[in-house]
Amino acid sequence: SQTIHQWPATLVQPVGSPLSLECTVEGTSNPNLYWYRQAAGRGLQLLFYSVGIGQISSEVPQNLSASRPQDRQFILSSKKLLLSDSGFYLCAWSVPSGGPAETQYFGPGTRLLVL
Amino acid sequence: AQSVTQLDSHVSVSEGTPVLLRCNYSSSYSPSLFWYVQHPNKGLQLLLKYTSAATLVKGINGFEAEFKKSETSFHLTKPSAHMSDAAEYFCVVRPNTGGFKTIFGAGTRLFVKA
Repeated sequence: SQTIHQWPATLVQPVGSPLSLECTVEGTSNPNLYWYRQAAGRGLQLLFYSVGIGQISSEVPQNLSASRPQDRQFILSSKKLLLSDSGFYLCAWSVPSGGPAETQYFGPGTRLLVL
Repeated sequence: AQSVTQLDSHVSVSEGTPVLLRCNYSSSYSPSLFWYVQHPNKGLQLLLKYTSAATLVKGINGFEAEFKKSETSFHLTKPSAHMSDAAEYFCVVRPNTGGFKTIFGAGTRLFVKA
């Protein structure tokens, strides 16, 4: 069966510090991968998605970047965190089928607090 | 433009009574529609999805949803609420335009009273 891991589970970082959040998927190959942010009391916003190693698409301009160094590894980064980067970050994966009916499976999330 | 509106930010029901969580969408193209549930400090779990097959979709834990194109709605229902259903529920639209655009509603928090 497939599993998705995210770490760390919780992170408190000062403004201006760097960030690296990691997501890995097990039990599948060539998944589509996604990073979402959930601000307090709001729905999820798609930040990045990837259809393969080194292929990253950004949905919204922001202070963050993403990388996919391996097939089942997806990393969210920042060089200098802002207060507005605080939130709950969720990684997700889907089996590529070429259409919008792909089901996305979510990880447990990382709660980031920038002080 | 595509959008999703969850009509209630909070819904409170008594255990054993029906649940109705409302979702309206706007999409220029035939969309795929999803309902996810999120328990506190957890990731999201898929309840059900509509992908242009049967308009009445059955999901896990007794939930179901009906796609009504004329009303652009995809309301989530359950005949009898259980305490474990207390969580946040998200309606999601993926327009059939190709690409990976995914639009989440703001969420509806369901409270279940004993």
